[in-house]
Formats: sequence, structure tokens, C-alpha cells
Amino acid sequence: AQKVTQAQTEISVVEKEDVTLDCVYETRDTTYYLFWYKQPPSGELVFLIRRNSFDEQNEISGRYSWNFQKSTSSFNFTITASQVVDSAVYFCARPNAGGTSYGKLTFGQGTILTVHP
Amino acid sequence: NAGVMQNPRHLVRRRGQEARLRCSPMKGHSHVYWYRQLPEEGLKFMVYLQKENIIDESGMPKERFSAEFPKEGPSILRIQQVVRGDSAAYFCASSPTAGGEKLFFGSGTQLSVL
Repeated sequence: AQKVTQAQTEISVVEKEDVTLDCVYETRDTTYYLFWYKQPPSGELVFLIRRNSFDEQNEISGRYSWNFQKSTSSFNFTITASQVVDSAVYFCARPNAGGTSYGKLTFGQGTILTVHP
Repeated sequence: NAGVMQNPRHLVRRRGQEARLRCSPMKGHSHVYWYRQLPEEGLKFMVYLQKENIIDESGMPKERFSAEFPKEGPSILRIQQVVRGDSAAYFCASSPTAGGEKLFFGSGTQLSVL
């Protein structure tokens, strides 16, 4: 199986700090999707972003930004000026190789982000 | 517009009993995915269903586990003769398209086996 690795198990920051969550993936495909999901304390996973491999432009959405580097197989996620409400578990994911659907995902282990007031 | 509804939120079973987990997808979604979240293993794909069809069950354990998504009613994940190792959070997600490019997840069912 092609793995997704989130090396940071837990990160703790103080409000207003910037924080970057790392994601490294394995792939043998030429085109593929990558995802980030957020799991707040309420439990449900919330979709944050989907990127296609042929689009390497960095993306910004409010305080969130994503840095996609095909050369290093990384898809890192940065939260600028973090807030307490950003506290959650963040998952990086990619569809399983040869899967029947992009919804058949391989997830990283997740990074627990705690933002202190 | 209600999101993906899973019930129960918490389910306690004794070893050997059956567990039934229900998932009502978002309105208009006919594609359902089940995932299991184990403490040491993270989130793992189990099965992908469309209405009345199992499309991909490659992540389902070979025995005791089954899933269905009938024409009417919620999707059901059924675990027979539960064992302690089945204790986990089970998440359902739905998608409006077969591509599954964006999944909408429920809040999960936490199964505890005594």
C-alpha cells in the first residue's frame, strides 16, 4: 500500500502562532489527489481541501494554506495566527492506488493540534 | 440540510453479541463509505456501497462483518459475535458522486465490547 506519513504526532502552540503540519506520501501514480481533513472534538471529519497532482500552485483559504511539493512528495498544511478553535486532529489522505473511488482513502496517522489561549 | 447521521453514538456490547451500526447519508447522496478508527492503527477504509450494491469491500474483515445499503433506509454495518478487538470508532461518510472527491462524514459510533 502507498503510505501517507504524518511524522508529527502532537503539536502544541499558543494562540496567534503560525503552525505547519507535515504530510509526506508515497505514490507510483502520475496523477493523483491529496486531501486534508480535520477532526474536531465532536468527532466527525471535516473536509478541508482536495488537490490534484497536476496543480502544484500553493493554495490559500483564509488562515489556511497548503504547500504542495511533488519533488519531495509533500503536502504540508499551515495555519496562520492559530486560534483555540483550530484545536483538532488533522489528517492527510490520498486515494488508494487502483481504488474504485477517490473516497477509498488511505489516511496518515493524524496530527493532534492543541492551541492554548 | 441535515448532515450524515450515525446512530447510536455509543454502543456497548458484550463479547459474542451482535452490533448494528446505522448510517443515514446526506440527502441526495447514494454513495456510502465505512471507516474504522482504532487507537493504534488510525483510520482504515472498510467498505464502499451504493444503493443495493457493495462496490468495494476490500477493507472488511473476512468473517463476522457485513454491510448493506438498501434501496430504502439507512446503511447498516453489522458485526456478529463481537470481540474486544472490535472496540473502535466506526465512521460513515457519504458522497453525491461515484468519484468520492469530497466525503461528508458522520460523528461516528463508538463501539465498546466488554
